[in-house]
Amino acid sequence: QVHLQESGPGLVKPSGTLSLTCAVSGDSISTSNWWNWVRQSPGKGLEWIGGIFHTGNTDYNRSLKSRVTISVDKSKNQFSLNLTSVTAADTAVYYCARGASYHHYCLDLWGQGALVTVSS
Amino acid sequence: DIVMTQSPDSLTVSLGERATISCKSSQSVLYSSNNKNYLAWYQQKPGQPPKLLMYWASTRESGVPDRFSGSGSETDFTLTISSLQAEDVAVYYCQQYYTTPPTFGQGTKVEV
Repeated sequence: QVHLQESGPGLVKPSGTLSLTCAVSGDSISTSNWWNWVRQSPGKGLEWIGGIFHTGNTDYNRSLKSRVTISVDKSKNQFSLNLTSVTAADTAVYYCARGASYHHYCLDLWGQGALVTVSS
Repeated sequence: DIVMTQSPDSLTVSLGERATISCKSSQSVLYSSNNKNYLAWYQQKPGQPPKLLMYWASTRESGVPDRFSGSGSETDFTLTISSLQAEDVAVYYCQQYYTTPPTFGQGTKVEV
C-alpha cells in the first residue's frame, strides 16, 4: 500500500523559505506517476502548487512560479517543495499528492497534510 | 485559469435522501479527441485530506460506493449521492484537470 508523508517546519518567518518533503513508501517514486503539491487555506481553498516527474520535469502554478521549486530525490524516494519569500498569505495546510496513472493532475492519493504557519 | 464554481456552498439533507451538487467550469473541459471530460470530484472529511471519488466526470474510483454518481459534460457537472449516509458528511470539491494549472471549486459542505 502506497503512503505519502509530509514533513518539515511548522513555523516559518515572513520573508523566509518554506521547505517540505514528501516521503513515498510502498512504491518507487520512479513510476509513471507525477508527484504534486497542493495547499489549502481558509481564504483560497485548494490550490495546486506544482508537480514533478521522476525525470525532473516540473510544472508550476504560474501564480507561484517565481517562488516555487519542486525537486525529487530518487535515492531517498521522496520529493520536496521550496517556497521562498513567504508571507502570512502562505499559511496553509500543505499536501503532497500522487497524480493518477491516467492523468497526472487527477490526484488519487494524498498525504495527511502539514500545517505551515508564517509568523514572526 | 479555468474557474470552477460550485453550488450550493452548503447543503442539508436528511439521511436516506438525495444530495445533488453542481459544478460549473468557466470553459469546457471536454477534450474532443477522446470525448472525455477532465473533471474530478473529491470528498474531504474534517481533519483528513481530500479523497478522490470520481474522475472523467462519471467514473467512480475503486472502493467508492455506488450511491455516488457523477454526470455532466463540457461546462456543467453534477455529483449525486442517491441516499445520504451519516458517513457522507463532508465537503465535496470538483476539480478540472483539462489544463494547467488544475483548479478546484470552492467546495460544498454536506450536512445531515
